[in-house]
Amino acid sequence: AQSVAQPEDQVNVAEGNPLTVKCTYSVSGNPYLFWYVQYPNRGLQFLLKYITGDNLVKGSYGFEAEFNKSQTSFHLKKPSALVSDSALYFCAVRDKGFQKLVFGTGTRLLVSP
Amino acid sequence: SQTIHQWPATLVQPVGSPLSLECTVEGTSNPNLYWYRQAAGRGLQLLFYSVGIGQISSEVPQNLSASRPQDRQFILSSKKLLLSDSGFYLCAWTRAGPGDLYGGYTFGSGTRLTVV
Repeated sequence: AQSVAQPEDQVNVAEGNPLTVKCTYSVSGNPYLFWYVQYPNRGLQFLLKYITGDNLVKGSYGFEAEFNKSQTSFHLKKPSALVSDSALYFCAVRDKGFQKLVFGTGTRLLVSP
Repeated sequence: SQTIHQWPATLVQPVGSPLSLECTVEGTSNPNLYWYRQAAGRGLQLLFYSVGIGQISSEVPQNLSASRPQDRQFILSSKKLLLSDSGFYLCAWTRAGPGDLYGGYTFGSGTRLTVV
């Protein structure tokens, strides 16, 4: 079965520093990967996706993600963190039946001033 | 443009009472629709999804049920709520078809349910 793992419950970073939120995947066939962000008491918002093509995917709010096939990873990155980036981040993969996404357990990002 | 509406935003219900949460999508037709529950502010649990009117797939056996009486309407129900039904309920949609899931989900703003 398709799955993603987010090994960190929480990531702490100082404002202005680069941030990385980790995600690894396990799929059969080609992976279709997504990142979402959730602010408190809100629905999830789409950040970016990897379907095919360039391994570096650029998304909303200055975020990007690097697809690495050899390491089966799809880490979310941002060159300079903002306090307003503090939120819960989910990695997801499309299931083989094409009908739904499988989500990771989420990583809480805390950016300190 | 497409929009998704979910209501109510918050709900406090006594144990044993019924539940009805509604989700509607505008600006598209024949969407795939999903109900998720998020407990303890973390993981997402897929409860139900639907690829068409009257077609409901259940992911987890539980105290809840779902219905899709119209193309763009998805309802989550319970006859008798349990304390364990408390959580944050999220509705989502995507265009139908394998290729269209490339766009991912669009989520509603969620319903915070507290069963007391």
